[in-house]
Amino acid sequence: KAGVTQTPRYLIKTRGQQVTLSCSPISGHRSVSWYQQTPGQGLQFLFEYFSETQRNKGNFPGRFSGRQFSNSRSEMNVSTLELGDSALYLCASSWDIPTENSPLHFGNGTRLTVT
Amino acid sequence: AQKITQTQPGMFVQEKEAVTLDCTYDTSDPSYGLFWYKQPSSGEMIFLIYQGSYDQQNATEGRYSLNFQKARKSANLVISASQLGDSAMYFCAIRTGPGGSEKLVFGKGTKLTVNP
Repeated sequence: KAGVTQTPRYLIKTRGQQVTLSCSPISGHRSVSWYQQTPGQGLQFLFEYFSETQRNKGNFPGRFSGRQFSNSRSEMNVSTLELGDSALYLCASSWDIPTENSPLHFGNGTRLTVT
Repeated sequence: AQKITQTQPGMFVQEKEAVTLDCTYDTSDPSYGLFWYKQPSSGEMIFLIYQGSYDQQNATEGRYSLNFQKARKSANLVISASQLGDSAMYFCAIRTGPGGSEKLVFGKGTKLTVNP
């Protein structure tokens, strides 16, 4: 069974640009969550999608957005990039809310560097 | 707000010895779940073990076990017989929130180094 796939693995962008990251969940998983990981702030929740609807959202500015398609694949977009957006962006999928039988399964992440 | 505290930024252990990684949490919700994840240098987060707030027994999963002390709001991870491959970052996380808005809140992590 294939795991969570995130593309691309690495991205280098310039301030002011926008970027789109992609995530393919494990087959059958309907929930996709996104996390930002930085050395200073650690892992911070961005948002969660379930059956194409945003079900939960973290405390990030509106420049961060996402969507989920009918096949459960998800994308997140960051507009007007800032230097502080440099981070590892992790996507995770699960059957539904995280439980013992439905833990979050994470991808390898996309390393975004903003110069 | 829910919070996870991991007070050990780094831990060192000799191969084949046991090690305990500390995790304390803060929540006012009576129903919650606690997760431990391992993150090797490759970046992928690997699920290790889960403890539910209503579970009567401490969770175990192979060489991993949880020392769950509900009254103290702690859920320490015990790794027995450490292996070199256990060297990684370890994160404790709590799932809380009313129905439909559950998410995981992670601690800052502990970097474990296993020495040969």
